[in-house]
Amino acid sequence: QSALTQPASVSGSPGQSITISCTGTSSDVGDYDYVSWYQQHPGKAPKLMIYDVSNRPSGVSNRFSGSKSGNTASLTISGLQAEDEADYFCSAYTGSSTPVVFGGGTKLTVL
Amino acid sequence: QVQLVESGGGVVQPGRSLRLSCAASGFTFSSFGMHWVRQAPGKGLEWVAVIYYDGSDKYYADSVKGRFTISRDNSKNMVYLQMNSLRAEDTAVYYCARDKYSSSSGALDIWGQGTMVTVSS
Repeated sequence: QSALTQPASVSGSPGQSITISCTGTSSDVGDYDYVSWYQQHPGKAPKLMIYDVSNRPSGVSNRFSGSKSGNTASLTISGLQAEDEADYFCSAYTGSSTPVVFGGGTKLTVL
Repeated sequence: QVQLVESGGGVVQPGRSLRLSCAASGFTFSSFGMHWVRQAPGKGLEWVAVIYYDGSDKYYADSVKGRFTISRDNSKNMVYLQMNSLRAEDTAVYYCARDKYSSSSGALDIWGQGTMVTVSS
C-alpha cells in the first residue's frame, strides 16, 4: 500500500485560511469515509484533529474542518494562529491486509 | 485520566530482538483496537500494526510482516510489540495509539508519548 500524497509544505498569514490536500486511490480515500488528520508539534506525539473525513473530536477548535472529493481529502484551517504551526498528517483506512496508510506529512508555516 | 504509556525502547544490535509494552489506563481497554505507529528521525508517520479489541485479528505493515508480532492482554490493559530480526531501518520512535473503534478504522484518538528504538552495532 503506497503512502498518501500530501504537499511537503504550506504557509499562510495569521487570520488567513489554508487547505492541505491528501490524495489517495479508489482503494483507500475514495472507497471509505475513514480519513483522519493529525497535528504534530516538534517533539510531541500526534494529536487527532479530524476523523471520519469531517468529524472533530471533543476539544478541537472548529477552525479545523475536513472534507473529501473522490480520491482526495482536504484539511482546512481557518483564522490561522501562530500555534497552528506544526506538521500535519492524513491517514486513511484501506480495507486490505494493511488497513491503515499515512500521508507523508505537510509542514505548515504561519508567516 | 485516559492515557497510554510505552516502555521497552533502547539501543539494540542488528538482528537482535526487543519487546515494547504499552500500559493503558482511564478507559475500557478491551473495547478498542490498538495500534503501533513509528516515526524515524526527521521523517513522517508509518503505521506498523493493529490488533482488534479482542485480539481476534492482527495486521501488519509489509515492512515488518514476519518479524514483528502485536499482542494484547485485556486482563492487564497492556498491548505489546515483539520485534525480532531488527534492522537499522527500524530505528524510530514507536507510538502506541488507540483506535476510536473496536477494529482498525485508523482514527487514532489517544497516543502515548513514544519510546525510542535505536538499532545500531
